[in-house]
Amino acid sequence: AQTVTQSQPEMSVQEAETVTLSCTYDTSENNYYLFWYKQPPSRQMILVIRQEAYKQQNATENRFSVNFQKAAKSFSLKISDSQLGDTAMYFCAFMKHGSNTGKLIFGQGTTLQVKP
Amino acid sequence: EPEVTQTPSHQVTQMGQEVILRCVPISNHLYFYWYRQILGQKVEFLVSFYNNEISEKSEIFDDQFSVERPDGSNFTLKIRSTKLEDSAMYFCASSELAHTDTQYFGPGTRLTVL
Repeated sequence: AQTVTQSQPEMSVQEAETVTLSCTYDTSENNYYLFWYKQPPSRQMILVIRQEAYKQQNATENRFSVNFQKAAKSFSLKISDSQLGDTAMYFCAFMKHGSNTGKLIFGQGTTLQVKP
Repeated sequence: EPEVTQTPSHQVTQMGQEVILRCVPISNHLYFYWYRQILGQKVEFLVSFYNNEISEKSEIFDDQFSVERPDGSNFTLKIRSTKLEDSAMYFCASSELAHTDTQYFGPGTRLTVL
C-alpha cells in the first residue's frame, strides 16, 4: 500500500524568503503522479503543482517548484519569494499512474505561516 | 472560474440520524469523489464515481454510505445512520475527462454527530 508522509506539521517563513516543504512517500509502483495542494484558511484545496514520475524534469509553476528525487521517494515543494497569500495548509498527495479510480493518497499536511 | 460547491457548510445531527451532503461539481466534469478529514488527521479517500457507478470505495465506505448523482448537476453522499466517529470534514471533488485528471475540491462540509 502507498503511504505519504509530511514530517513538518508547521513551518514559518518571512515574506520574500524561500521555504521548502518536505514530503516522502512509499510505493512499489514505477509510474505515478505526485501533487501539492494548498488549502488557505476556510477555503478549498487548490492544486499547486503536479509531477509525473516518468518525467525527469522537475515541475515548476511560477514561484513554486518541486525537487523530485525518485530513488529517494522524496517530493519537496519550494516556494520562492514567499507572499502573505501563501499562508495555508499544504498537502502532498500520490496517485497511481493509469488509475481508473482517481484515488488520491494524502500526507498529513504542513501548515505554513508567512510572516510580514 | 468554475468551482465545486458544497452544502451545507456545517451540519449538526444526532447519532443514528441520516444525513445527505450535497455537492455541485464543475459542470463539464465527469468524475466525482468524496474524501473526509477527521480533525487532526489525514484527508482520506472515501469513494470515486463515474458514469453512475462507483469506481472504487475505501474500507471506510461501508453499507452505511451511499453516493448518488440524482440529476445532471448534483452529487450526494448519504450516511444512513450516523455514528459519533463520522464527525469530520467531508470534501467533494471532481475531475474532467479522466480519473487521472486534476481533481478540483469543494470547500467541505463539516459534519458534527452528537
